[in-house]
Amino acid sequence: SQQGEEDPQALSIQEGENATMNCSYKTSINNLQWYRQNSGRGLVHLILIRSNEREKHSGRLRVTLDTSKKSSSLLITASRAADTASYFCATVGPISNFGNEKLTFGTGTRLTIIP
Amino acid sequence: DSGVTQTPKHLITATGQRVTLRCSPRSGDLSVYWYQQSLDQGLQFLIQYYNGEERAKGNILERFSAQQFPDLHSELNLSSLELGDSALYFCASSASDTQYFGPGTRLTVL
Repeated sequence: SQQGEEDPQALSIQEGENATMNCSYKTSINNLQWYRQNSGRGLVHLILIRSNEREKHSGRLRVTLDTSKKSSSLLITASRAADTASYFCATVGPISNFGNEKLTFGTGTRLTIIP
Repeated sequence: DSGVTQTPKHLITATGQRVTLRCSPRSGDLSVYWYQQSLDQGLQFLIQYYNGEERAKGNILERFSAQQFPDLHSELNLSSLELGDSALYFCASSASDTQYFGPGTRLTVL
């Protein structure tokens, strides 16, 4: 079963604009990760944020985590055509399941960057 | 390139048949995970192996089984295939929190 929902399901923006995707989840977590998937291909790990962290940056990516609201957001700044892909959040947890590191994925956001 | 390899890339077979998907993890990674991605179910965790032993099980059907060999490669066996088993099957490996995914095997059941 899916851990949570991602919002929006699809997003189209002009190249150079910022893109924000949101993810909500249902249970307590150890960490939350974001992955990118180009059409029908493998998943590429983008960034990991732990449950005791609130914000993390990696290049043009910024991730926030609000454990009280069970939500996370991914911001991609200065978008490029190559950023066109599907983006998934995935959680590890709940915390009581230490040793079970399976990823529980959200439903994904389809991002299209218009040149 | 994640360092995780999967074979074959594509597989077309008929209902009722049995297939084996193969995964080679990144060098040194002891954990291997299998996931299924389909249009109706999204990305679902199937099973995890750690150093040859089953560690966690997800929504894996009884018709499916997996194993991890002493050289750490893993195989996912799918039997009595049904049309609904058509999906992308991913293998991932990890040594810590981050899982690295292979390119996937696209299974089409006709």
